Amino acid sequence: DIQMTQSPSSLSASVGDRVTITCRASQSISSYLNWYQQKPGKAPKLLIYAASSLQSGVPSRFSGSGSGTDFTLTISSLQPEDFATYYCQQSYSTRVTFGQGTRLEIK
Amino acid sequence: QVQLQESGPGLVKPSQTLSLTCTVSGGSISSGSYYWSWIRQPAGKGLEWIGRIYTSGSTNYNPSLKSRVTISVDTSKNQFSLKLSSVTAADTAVYYCARDRYDILTGNYYMDVWGKGTTVTVSS
Repeated sequence: DIQMTQSPSSLSASVGDRVTITCRASQSISSYLNWYQQKPGKAPKLLIYAASSLQSGVPSRFSGSGSGTDFTLTISSLQPEDFATYYCQQSYSTRVTFGQGTRLEIK
Repeated sequence: QVQLQESGPGLVKPSQTLSLTCTVSGGSISSGSYYWSWIRQPAGKGLEWIGRIYTSGSTNYNPSLKSRVTISVDTSKNQFSLKLSSVTAADTAVYYCARDRYDILTGNYYMDVWGKGTTVTVSS
């Protein structure tokens, strides 16, 4: 299976900060990488697909980049509603795998 | 606007079979290039992909669960289902169903519609 490793596991930041979360795949997955946001008690929400495509309705402060094994999710200016847990997910393999998650907390 | 809704028992005894159904509303389960997926999340932990089914019946499963999992689809009811056999306390989790959409431009699949999730507890 393809292992997905996110860093950091948790992160404290302030409103207005620029934040970057990294996801690394154990083998090349081209651009078959998706990002989700999950708030407590809620289902995950798709933010970015195919590494850098913004899902409809998602604010433009969210962006994704990368290909191969290294990917990043960037939030350009944190808003109060962005404090949540973020997951990457690879769709290169028919055996889908998620990263372990990055918890973004208010500083 | 497609919506998904999980349903099934909230409590299952150890060694028994967990059975959940996901009802698709606002669209046909047979239309488009979609897989229909199950994902679970133990309390306080991350997301674990269980498996998925295409409307043709083709399936993919998580290797760690494959021996115990069956995912099926009933197009006449616009539903797909999950069966997980021989459950233990480790199978206690929130179970989500999701639509896994194919993007023709990128060749990528992504889960764009999710159910709200249903909590299943394995306990005697």
